Amino acid sequence: SQQGEEDPQALSIQEGENATMNCSYKTSINNLQWYRQNSGRGLVHLILIRSNEREKHSGRLRVTLDTSKKSSSLLITASRAADTASYFCATDNRGSEKLVFGKGMKLTVNP
Amino acid sequence: DADVTQTPRNRITKTGKRIMLECSQTKGHDRMYWYRQDPGLGLRLIYYSFDVKDINKGEISDGYSVSRQAQAKFSLSLESAIPNQTALYFCATSDLHLGTDTQYFGPGTRLTVL
Repeated sequence: SQQGEEDPQALSIQEGENATMNCSYKTSINNLQWYRQNSGRGLVHLILIRSNEREKHSGRLRVTLDTSKKSSSLLITASRAADTASYFCATDNRGSEKLVFGKGMKLTVNP
Repeated sequence: DADVTQTPRNRITKTGKRIMLECSQTKGHDRMYWYRQDPGLGLRLIYYSFDVKDINKGEISDGYSVSRQAQAKFSLSLESAIPNQTALYFCATSDLHLGTDTQYFGPGTRLTVL
C-alpha cells in the first residue's frame, strides 16, 4: 500500500502543551499535506509542504519533511481544546493522479 | 466547507435498495472525488473525475457507480446496497491550477444499510 501512516494513533495532552504527530510514507512524493477532521465532519486542509521544502510554518502549526527518511511531522504549539480532532497526512505521490490519505490519528487536548 | 455540499446528510436504507448520494460544488473546480470512511481504515477512494467526460475507478469501486452530470455535480450510486457499505461518505473537490492537489471536502453523508 502507498498509504501514509500516522504515529501515534492517539495522543492525549493538556491544554498549552505541544502536540507532535508523525507520518511515514513509502514512495517518492510531489508534496505532503496535513488535514484535520472534527468528529464526523469533512476534512479540512491545514498545510502543504513540497518535496523540495524541509520546514513550513502556519500560525501555531509547524510541519517538517525529511524525504530521505520518507517522513513528516506536524507540530501544534500551545494546544487548545479546540485542536481536539483527528489528523491525517496525505501524499501526492509521483506518477499518481490522486492523493493517498493515511488512516489518521486522534488528538485529544484536555482543558 | 459550505462550497461543497452533500445530500442527504444522513440516510438509512435496506439491503438491496438503490441509493444515490449527491454532491454539488460552487468552487469551480474540475476535479471531484468520492471517498468512504470506516473506523480504523481512514479514507478510501471510490471514484474520481477530472472533468465532465472523465470517470476513474478508485481502490474500492465495486458495488458503486458515479455520474458527473456537470462540472459542479458528481453523484454516487449504490446499485444494490449491502450492510458492509454502511459508512461515512465524503465528496471532495480540487483544482490543479495552483500546481497542488489540495482537496476541499463536503460535510459527509452518513449511510446505514440495514
